[in-house]
Amino acid sequence: DTAVSQTPKYLVTQMGNDKSIKCEQNLGHDTMYWYKQDSKKFLKIMFSYNNKELIINETVPNRFSPKSPDKAHLNLHINSLELGDSAVYFCASSPHPGSGELFFGEGSRLTVL
Amino acid sequence: AQSVTQLDSQVPVFEEAPVELRCNYSSSVSVYLFWYVQYPNQGLQLLLKYLSGSTLVKGINGFEAEFNKSQTSFHLRKPSVHISDTAEYFCAVSANNNDMRFGAGTRLTVKP
Repeated sequence: DTAVSQTPKYLVTQMGNDKSIKCEQNLGHDTMYWYKQDSKKFLKIMFSYNNKELIINETVPNRFSPKSPDKAHLNLHINSLELGDSAVYFCASSPHPGSGELFFGEGSRLTVL
Repeated sequence: AQSVTQLDSQVPVFEEAPVELRCNYSSSVSVYLFWYVQYPNQGLQLLLKYLSGSTLVKGINGFEAEFNKSQTSFHLRKPSVHISDTAEYFCAVSANNNDMRFGAGTRLTVKP
């Protein structure tokens, strides 16, 4: 069983569209994250949720909206996609904010044409 | 806020040679330090972490790192690398474990 799973793995779409990426973890962790990795491999935190509550919200355009229906899921919805949104998006989880270790999904590669 | 600098973007090395990947951090408070590895088309996985205690930390796959508070460094080392160690390596720092910041990554390429 995959510990942190993301769908879809690949997403190709046109500018202006709206898309979602789903993330689920079966580790029983309290904390989940979204990271964006650009073409130069730079990883930047976007959001963090602890027990469905938002605890980190970096300077991200409000076109990006995370949703956590329960502590095992953290989905990312993106409105009005732009070329610069093309990246690999990683979901991660940790047992709690103080655990010190992140468990990553395999990433979702988003290409905006 | 804390930050991380990885001093080398690429490190080519021959198989069975030793390697050191350098990482320096900046923070006004005590930090926790991590090294993660990313193999092609995969997510990151933890290699090792320093939370407290002994400054020499051993991780998976024969890697180790040493926390040096005076030099604000956390360099990663392996005495003898394999082809399979070819990957992207990320140093990360967290001041309160809510917010982990990653360095820009070092691409380790092991050549036969």
